[in-house]
Amino acid sequence: NAGVMQNPRHLVRRRGQEARLRCSPMKGHSHVYWYRQLPEEGLKFMVYLQKENIIDESGMPKERFSAEFPKEGPSILRIQQVVRGDSAAYFCASSSRQGTNEKLFFGSGTQLSVL
Amino acid sequence: EDKVVQSPLSLVVHEGDTVTLNCSYEVTNFRSLLWYKQEKKAPTFLFMLTSSGIEKKSGRLSSILDKKELFSILNITATQTGDSAIYLCAVEAGTYKYIFGTGTRLKVLA
Repeated sequence: NAGVMQNPRHLVRRRGQEARLRCSPMKGHSHVYWYRQLPEEGLKFMVYLQKENIIDESGMPKERFSAEFPKEGPSILRIQQVVRGDSAAYFCASSSRQGTNEKLFFGSGTQLSVL
Repeated sequence: EDKVVQSPLSLVVHEGDTVTLNCSYEVTNFRSLLWYKQEKKAPTFLFMLTSSGIEKKSGRLSSILDKKELFSILNITATQTGDSAIYLCAVEAGTYKYIFGTGTRLKVLA
């Protein structure tokens, strides 16, 4: 399967724990986006990364949240000291290049539940 | 502030009905408009629109863009229960910047 792969599909954490969400982009894609979706809401932009670079993290809370996309391996969205309000579906999308008229391909998401 | 607004928020129809979903936008640097279908998992791509007045069609689904009035519509004819999903509209507003609407929840009853 050459699609965008996210894992885990479901993640349960207690308040104060850390959550690590992984995303492997489509083969040949070097641009990764993370979005968050709450029930009854659309996809909210969090961060845009290229290999080894964070290009735009304006949608990501400044505290507790971080993202990386290393030269080797998947992109990681890390949430430290999770709180109940972090419960949401987190989607990763990838594209092959930065530029106009480029569609995003999405993974199946990680549903984070904070107890 | 750039924004994308979809209407209606939700819609319930019977099989065989035709539906029209709306997406309006206000962005400073429009590049393209995209429609996605989201069932219980990954949003899947339906259409990308860049030019006004040119209809994109795929089976029972079609979409058109009006760049003067800043909106797009997604039509689904002869709806089936498998069309039940959230339909997301997104606007590419500048390099790498994609803004999504809240989606329209469509439920098709047998």
